[in-house]
Amino acid sequence: DIVMTQSPDSLAVSLGERATISCRSSQNVFFTTTNKNYLAWYQQKPGQPPKLLIHWASTRFSGVPDRFSGSGSGTDFTLTISNLQAEDVAVYSCQQYFSIPWTFGQGTKVEIK
Amino acid sequence: QVRLVESGGGLVKPGGSLRLSCAASGFPFNDYYMSWIRQAPGKGLEWIAYISSSTIYIKYADSVKGRFTISRDNAKNSLYLQMNSLRADDTAVYYCAKDRVAVTGLDALDVWGQGTTVTVSS
Repeated sequence: DIVMTQSPDSLAVSLGERATISCRSSQNVFFTTTNKNYLAWYQQKPGQPPKLLIHWASTRFSGVPDRFSGSGSGTDFTLTISNLQAEDVAVYSCQQYFSIPWTFGQGTKVEIK
Repeated sequence: QVRLVESGGGLVKPGGSLRLSCAASGFPFNDYYMSWIRQAPGKGLEWIAYISSSTIYIKYADSVKGRFTISRDNAKNSLYLQMNSLRADDTAVYYCAKDRVAVTGLDALDVWGQGTTVTVSS
């Protein structure tokens, strides 16, 4: 199974500042045939289901504000939240959909400093 | 409006069974792979099963293989999860979710239901 490891487990960022979350996969999730990284990022607020933010490692899902961006390839990925807003307080999780079983990172809790 | 609504959760004793349902609306259900994902209290997300649009492809996580069965009824726009031999560590919120893109089965999950809670306890 591909193990997804996020860092840090939690971080506190001031409003308007940048939050950076890392995700590392134990195996490569880049598929050369499609030239894509099979990596997604989700946001989950308390008591709510996850919401898709980013797919293919760097493509913002429809309706997601452009302060959210994803980068990386292969085994190392980053989610960046620029200009952090109060409504961005949540847990963020990465997920690989390269191979079954699909696996998620443990989640990173973002709070306001 | 694309919507997924889970039902069927509840309190069950260890060794018991439960059947979860997920009612889909607002999209061509029979074109999409569907998944079940769960989240134990205070824990991260765990994918547990998926089923292809035509039911030809079905996969399970090792943690539920042999105990859980995923199925779908495209005529009723419904997804199911039959859970047998339940254990305390199956206690979680169970979500159904759809693939972002039709047919492929290799994509992110773009719509999730609100979840249904399963508690396994004596």
